[in-house]
Amino acid sequence: ILNVEQSPQSLHVQEGDSTNFTCSFPSSNFYALHWYRWETAKSPEALFVMTLNGDEKKKGRISATLNTKEGYSYLYIKGSQPEDSATYLCASTGGGADGLTFGKGTHLIIQP
Amino acid sequence: GAGVSQSPSNKVTEKGKDVELRCDPISGHTALYWYRQSLGQGLEFLIYFQGNSAPDKSGLPSDRFSAERTGGSVSTLTIQRTQQEDSAVYLCASSLAGARPEQYFGPGTRLTVT
Repeated sequence: ILNVEQSPQSLHVQEGDSTNFTCSFPSSNFYALHWYRWETAKSPEALFVMTLNGDEKKKGRISATLNTKEGYSYLYIKGSQPEDSATYLCASTGGGADGLTFGKGTHLIIQP
Repeated sequence: GAGVSQSPSNKVTEKGKDVELRCDPISGHTALYWYRQSLGQGLEFLIYFQGNSAPDKSGLPSDRFSAERTGGSVSTLTIQRTQQEDSAVYLCASSLAGARPEQYFGPGTRLTVT
C-alpha cells in the first residue's frame, strides 16, 4: 500500500503571486506520479503524468517536477489567478494495482 | 467528444438498502476505475477493470461492495445493505490501455446513507 502525502492541506494566495506545494510518495516500487486539479462541482482534471526522475512538465502557468529517488514532486503556479482556485491532487501508482493512490489534496484559494 | 458520465448524480438511501451506481466511460477506453471520497479523506481506489481481464478488486472495503462491467463498457457499482460509513462521493474514471495513462473522471455520485 502506498502512502501519498500532500502539504500544505490548504493555502491562501494573493492574486498575481506565485505558489508551490508538495507531494511525497514512497520511492520504492514507483511507476508514475499524476497531478489532478479538482474544482468544486466539477470532475477531477488531469494536469500531468510523470514517470522519469528529474522530469519537469509545464502547462501554461502551471509546472511540476519529479524526484523519484527521494520520493517527492512539486507543483508550481506562476502568477496565480482566481480560476486557479481548486483542490490539487497528486496520486502515485506502483508496480502492482493500476488504481491510483491519492493524497488528500492541497486546497488552494486565490484571493483577489 | 463525450466524457465519462455517471448516474445518479445524487442518491439518498436508508441504511440497510442496496444501491447501484452507474458509470459510462469514454468510448474506446478499455480501462475503468472506481474511487470514492469520504468526508475529510482523499480519493480511495476501489476497483479496476482492464479489457476482458479479471478485475482488480483489492480496494473494495467489504464484501458488501461489488462491481461489474458489461460488454467492456458500462460499469455498475453495487453496495448491499448500505451503512452510514458508505456515505461518500463515488467517482468513476476511464483511460486508454497502455503504460499508466492519465485517467478521465466523471462528475461523481454523491451517496448519502441516512
